[in-house]
Order: sequence, then structure tokens, then C-alpha cells
Amino acid sequence: EDKVVQSPLSLVVHEGDTVTLNCSYEVTNFRSLLWYKQEKKAPTFLFMLTSSGIEKKSGRLSSILDKKELFSILNITATQTGDSAVYLCAVANYNQGGKLIFGQGTELSVKP
Amino acid sequence: DTEVTQTPKHLVMGMTNKKSLKCEQHMGHRAMYWYKQKAKKPPELMFVYSYEKLSINESVPSRFSPECPNSSLLNLHLHALQPEDSALYLCASSQRTEYQETQYFGPGTRLLVL
Repeated sequence: EDKVVQSPLSLVVHEGDTVTLNCSYEVTNFRSLLWYKQEKKAPTFLFMLTSSGIEKKSGRLSSILDKKELFSILNITATQTGDSAVYLCAVANYNQGGKLIFGQGTELSVKP
Repeated sequence: DTEVTQTPKHLVMGMTNKKSLKCEQHMGHRAMYWYKQKAKKPPELMFVYSYEKLSINESVPSRFSPECPNSSLLNLHLHALQPEDSALYLCASSQRTEYQETQYFGPGTRLLVL
């Protein structure tokens, strides 16, 4: 059965810290891996990764995919209180016509 | 512009009511999705529409009835719901389902069934 596992499930850090969130997957016919940030309501898109070893960056956030070891990491440097959210990892495969398989999410809390 | 809009933002309904949730996107996307999300859980897929046709139904109870009147609109009709159906209902869209592209989510409708 396809599955996506995120770790840690929750994390508390102080402003200015750097955090690394992990996402591992066992999915047949992998197509892409996506990261979303969810605050109170809708998940907002962060990154989509399809190729191994190519880092994607957006400001203080970056992410990379390892298709050999079947995992991805999301890094956040110089964290701010506005980074507090649930970070969702989701994987798509070729079999399931648009369906995303979500991990449980990592709840990040950044204290001032 | 990557906006998906949903109405209403909040909905309270009794178990005998009939109500509808509405979702709209104007990005030219041809795939639209309904998800249900309970507190502290990831979104769970309910339905996928591809080119206005239902392509995936994740064994959702018939008290939830989706409808895609055109390529920009997606509705979810609700009838005889149960209290356990209370959740955040999210709509999403993407360009196509056959090529994995990013799904963009709307703000959701928070539903409470009494």
C-alpha cells in the first residue's frame, strides 16, 4: 500500500533557529512530491519536486528530493513566528489520476 | 493568479437539511477536487473531476453528491448528513490530472452538522 510518512510530527523552536522537516515515501510509479504549508485554512503550495538532487528555493525555504532513498527534506532557515503552521508532504503517482497521498503533517511552532 | 474560491466560509446544518458547497476557479484548470479534512489530520480525497467528468469517487457515501456544471465550477450537494461529517471541506484545482501539476486549494468551508 502506498504511504507517506513525515517526521517529526511536531516541533517547537525559537525564532532564528533552522529546522529540517522530513518526508519519506513508499509509492509505486512515483511522479512527484509536493510540500504545502497549512495555517488556519487552505494548504498553500510551497514546492513540487520531480527530480533527485535538484534543490528548490524560495526565500528562507528550500527542499530537495532523493529518489533513490525515497525521501525529501524541507529546510527553513532563520525561522520566524509566521512560519508556525502544519507542513504537509504529498506524493503523486502515475496510477491514480491526480490523487495525492498525504503524510500526517509536521506541526511547527516558532516561539519568539 | 492561483486563486480558488469557496462559499460559504462556514455552514451549520441539521441532519435533515439540504445544502450545497460551491467552488470556483478561473485559471483554466480542467481538474477539480473535493477533500475532507478533520482536525489534526491531512486532507482526504473525496472526488476528482477531469474535464467535467467524475473520474475518481473514493467510496464516498451518497449523502455527498458532487456536480461539475462547467469547467470553472464545482459543487458539493449535502443531504441527510451525520454529525461525524463535520469537517473542513476543501476544493482544489490543477491544470490536468494526466500530468502531475500542482493542486491549488481554496480556503475551505467549515461545516458543522448538528
